[in-house]
Amino acid sequence: KAGVTQTPRYLIKTRGQQVTLSCSPISGHRSVSWYQQTPGQGLQFLFEYFSETQRNKGNFPGRFSGRQFSNSRSEMNVSTLELGDSALYLCASSLGEAKNIQYFGAGTRLSVL
Amino acid sequence: GENVEQHPSTLSVQEGDSAVIKCTYSDSASNYFPWYKQELGKGPQLIIDIRSNVGEKKDQRIAVTLNKTAKHFSLHITETQPEDSAVYFCAAPDTGNQFYFGTGTSLTVIP
Repeated sequence: KAGVTQTPRYLIKTRGQQVTLSCSPISGHRSVSWYQQTPGQGLQFLFEYFSETQRNKGNFPGRFSGRQFSNSRSEMNVSTLELGDSALYLCASSLGEAKNIQYFGAGTRLSVL
Repeated sequence: GENVEQHPSTLSVQEGDSAVIKCTYSDSASNYFPWYKQELGKGPQLIIDIRSNVGEKKDQRIAVTLNKTAKHFSLHITETQPEDSAVYFCAAPDTGNQFYFGTGTSLTVIP
């Protein structure tokens, strides 16, 4: 079974631009969660999508948004990039029920210059 | 929401020694506690988890213990090897299945 696939692996953007990251979950998984990982803050929860609906949301500004398609693939968008958005963005997929194991992708490393 | 605290933030041990990482959580309704290992350039990988109906779980050199009364759980690695060097994260979910992660422990095993 293929694992969680995130593309691209690396991105370099400048302030003010926008970016879209993609996540393909494990086949059969309906839940995709997004996290921001930075050295000082650890893994911070952005949002979770389940069956094309946002089910949970973390404490991030509205510049961070996402969506999920009918095949469970998910995209995350960040508009008006700031220097502080530089981070590793991880997505995790699961079956979507309570206590289900989350499986992580390798992440997208975003650098904002 | 849940609040997860993890200690220590860094840990160095000699090869063959044991390593212990501790986490506390705040939501007494939490009932599932996974541990993840993250190697350089990779995403976190689940190494062991424990559900609230048991107090201890072992998998070869790795064990996790859970004390629901005190609201803490610990990762124990015995006979450490250089390949155990990585960052380890604990996590706990809230009732909405949103996971909260500890801040991570960077483990270095010195050959």
